[in-house]
Amino acid sequence: AQTVTQSQPEMSVQEAETVTLSCTYDTSENNYYLFWYKQPPSRQMILVIRQEAYKQQNATENRFSVNFQKAAKSFSLKISDSQLGDTAMYFCAFMKLHQGAQKLVFGQGTRLTINP
Amino acid sequence: KAGVTQTPRYLIKTRGQQVTLSCSPISGHRSVSWYQQTPGQGLQFLFEYFSETQRNKGNFPGRFSGRQFSNSRSEMNVSTLELGDSALYLCASSGGQGASYEQYFGPGTRLTVT
Repeated sequence: AQTVTQSQPEMSVQEAETVTLSCTYDTSENNYYLFWYKQPPSRQMILVIRQEAYKQQNATENRFSVNFQKAAKSFSLKISDSQLGDTAMYFCAFMKLHQGAQKLVFGQGTRLTINP
Repeated sequence: KAGVTQTPRYLIKTRGQQVTLSCSPISGHRSVSWYQQTPGQGLQFLFEYFSETQRNKGNFPGRFSGRQFSNSRSEMNVSTLELGDSALYLCASSGGQGASYEQYFGPGTRLTVT
């Protein structure tokens, strides 16, 4: 079974700083997808960024980018120019498609606080 | 486009009762997945429905069941509620244009069992 590990339960940085959240996963699959989701205090889960395992190029979405190291099974999220609105729980998630069926496996989450 | 909606948003039930939660996916999305979120166990997959068929199931007891209707709306049912069923239940839909595997979540239903 796939597992996802986020080793940083909590992180705190100052506004405008850059922060990197870590994620490692365990799988024997070659084709899969990785995601970062954000869950602010409102509890609404928001998709931040996705990465297809077959793509070597790291995904970027505005201030958010990932460092995908397939051999090391590592998938970190970098937030540049952090903003107060980035304060949230961040979840790393893994998905392997099996005959089209979808199932996200989540890490335990990292609570990120952006201080003014 | 409207997002995923879930009703009700909050629910208080007594142990032994049953409960039904509803999820309306994003228009055009045909896959609906359900997750349970608790402080102790984190986010756990319950099941996924596609075209009215359960396509995938997590490791939950048979008290947890679901179904999907022809308009892709989904319901999940929990019978004989236990205190440990208190959780945030999240529904997600996928299957739109482009990256059909991207799951978009609703606001959740907070279930409290007393």
